[in-house]
Amino acid sequence: RKEVEQDPGPFNVPEGATVAFNCTYSNSASQSFFWYRQDCRKEPKLLMSVYSSGNEDGRFTAQLNRASQYISLLIRDSKLSDSATYLCVVNTLSNYQLIWGAGTKLIIKP
Amino acid sequence: ETGVTQTPRHLVMGMTNKKSLKCEQHLGHNAMYWYKQSAKKPLELMFVYSLEERVENNSVPSRFSPECPNSSHLFLHLHTLQPEDSALYLCASSQDRGATNEKLFFGSGTQLSVL
Repeated sequence: RKEVEQDPGPFNVPEGATVAFNCTYSNSASQSFFWYRQDCRKEPKLLMSVYSSGNEDGRFTAQLNRASQYISLLIRDSKLSDSATYLCVVNTLSNYQLIWGAGTKLIIKP
Repeated sequence: ETGVTQTPRHLVMGMTNKKSLKCEQHLGHNAMYWYKQSAKKPLELMFVYSLEERVENNSVPSRFSPECPNSSHLFLHLHTLQPEDSALYLCASSQDRGATNEKLFFGSGTQLSVL
């Protein structure tokens, strides 16, 4: 089993719709979690950290489910500019290494 | 000026060439990283420097050689590469290595093609 798993997609979503995707992790001792966004042929950029209580930033909501060992990202009122690959990252702290998922590709269609 | 500057953006080299990737961060961070990203695969950590000292080397072939002359600059020297080394190479920095909420800031990457 991979340490961090994501559905590769692509998720094809009409503009204005709500879309959500999950990321599962295998290490129950994982301490911190992040979502990064990567546009085609560009570098990853931090989208948001994921806190135990969940957090919201505008149209984006991230949640953590420790019992089932997954994090989620929900995008409301999707825009064409939201088209990108979303990377899940987990920090286990046991060896100070960030473990990356392979990403979920999102395509927003007009 | 961007926080992390990486050059070149694109590089094509033959298997016998020697080239170097350069990275500079203007964020005052203490840790710098080299990552490899192949198509549809997770980012692979290659090297980590913390306060100019290499703290991690994830069994990377010796044809990749990092250099960190100071906390703001990082190089990746390449020689006798193989076609399977073709990938996007990303430099990144973070405030401190091992922090609970460690956040990475990436350079724009070097798309490397080995012929």
